Amino acid sequence: DAKTTQPNSMESNEEEPVHLPCNHSTISGTDYIHWYRQLPSQGPEYVIHGLTSNVNNRMASLAIAEDRKSSTLILHRATLRDAAVYYCILRDTNFGNEKLTFGTGTRLTIIP
Amino acid sequence: DTGVSQDPRHKITKRGQNVTFRCDPISEHNRLYWYRQTLGQGPEFLTYFQNEAQLEKSRLLSDRFSAERPKGSFSTLEIQRTEQGDSAMYLCASSSRGRTGANVLTFGAGSRLTVL
Repeated sequence: DAKTTQPNSMESNEEEPVHLPCNHSTISGTDYIHWYRQLPSQGPEYVIHGLTSNVNNRMASLAIAEDRKSSTLILHRATLRDAAVYYCILRDTNFGNEKLTFGTGTRLTIIP
Repeated sequence: DTGVSQDPRHKITKRGQNVTFRCDPISEHNRLYWYRQTLGQGPEFLTYFQNEAQLEKSRLLSDRFSAERPKGSFSTLEIQRTEQGDSAMYLCASSSRGRTGANVLTFGAGSRLTVL
């Protein structure tokens, strides 16, 4: 599986935007970029995914570099509820490769 | 729909005992996954079902571990002769039909196992 690299931890002030980076220099043309987050004492939660174009949903935005070797998850206005571990994961579209492979993610701390 | 349900939420057992966890996925989801997570680490893939067929197993899944999904609905994960190293959170997830790579997983809250 192609790997991703994320900072171990980040801090942000409440009500400010947060940019969470992810490097994936060995990404293949068939890999989707997925982001999940895990709040304390909960299972991971889907945030967003994309292939080539930038994506927006009600939770966040995903900005994908033109060469697809990096991406950034953007939380537009962080709240205390956004404190979690954020995982950037590559997911192959080829049939039969179903599993998500998690790394250690970025622990995001929100400062009130 | 109440999402993915896991039972029990917490289990404390003595070394050598057998334990079983149950997962009830979202009803229309045909894919089901088991993961294990230890403190400070991301979840590790254990196994995956499509309907009742177990299509992939991790090398982490030793012969003491067995998973079933008999009717393509709920699933069980059994650990025989538990060891202290089995202490972890066991997570279940499900996903719907959809193009591999694009479909998303919905996780349960997990079952925490403590082996004394």
